[in-house]
Amino acid sequence: SAVISQKPSRDICQRGTSLTIQCQVDSQVTMMFWYRQQPGQSLTLIATANQGSEATYESGFVIDKFPISRPNLTFSTLTVSNMSPEDSSIYLCSVQPSTPDRRLHEQYFGPGTRLTVT
Amino acid sequence: AQKITQTQPGMFVQEKEAVTLDCTYDTSDPSYGLFWYKQPSSGEMIFLIYQGSYDQQNATEGRYSLNFQKARKSANLVISASQLGDSAMYFCAMREGRASKIIFGSGTRLSIRP
Repeated sequence: SAVISQKPSRDICQRGTSLTIQCQVDSQVTMMFWYRQQPGQSLTLIATANQGSEATYESGFVIDKFPISRPNLTFSTLTVSNMSPEDSSIYLCSVQPSTPDRRLHEQYFGPGTRLTVT
Repeated sequence: AQKITQTQPGMFVQEKEAVTLDCTYDTSDPSYGLFWYKQPSSGEMIFLIYQGSYDQQNATEGRYSLNFQKARKSANLVISASQLGDSAMYFCAMREGRASKIIFGSGTRLSIRP
């Protein structure tokens, strides 16, 4: 399985500010995904980030609010902009391994970033 | 339309008993994959098991098995000999066709009683 780290692990931020979350993978991966998990809810996909191209956003999520960078095959950032209390969630990075074996179909998640907006 | 349905918001099971967590899905794509994840209170998402739509046999991983009934579009997770450490949220998820993204059901909170 891929080893995924996220920074920060948690943060408390004031409304109106922005936070950038980093995701680092120990191996090169083609696809990286950003999910949001609001309190007591399931996971919702924000966007898919491919290296060298613009991220693809899901319905209800826009680039101005959640800009994403993908400078290389092992790293991505998600920024939560102009935060409000409704943005309080766990944000999770996820990757699909690129190894050519049976585990290609699996998908792994980082430890998450717990964001509280006051 | 809801593509992944988990009808059990919460379950209580006695330790050492087997437990079945229900999941039904909806897709018109003949090629898809089904996943189960465990999320303990720490928040991490732990991959448990995967079943491909063309796999001939039900997937198994240790104490976890996936009861895949294609005609009924169900993919129930079976945990044998439950342990206290199995207490967590469990999410069923699906990937359709060539799409790489996976979508999640609403989850089932499993509590194991000693």
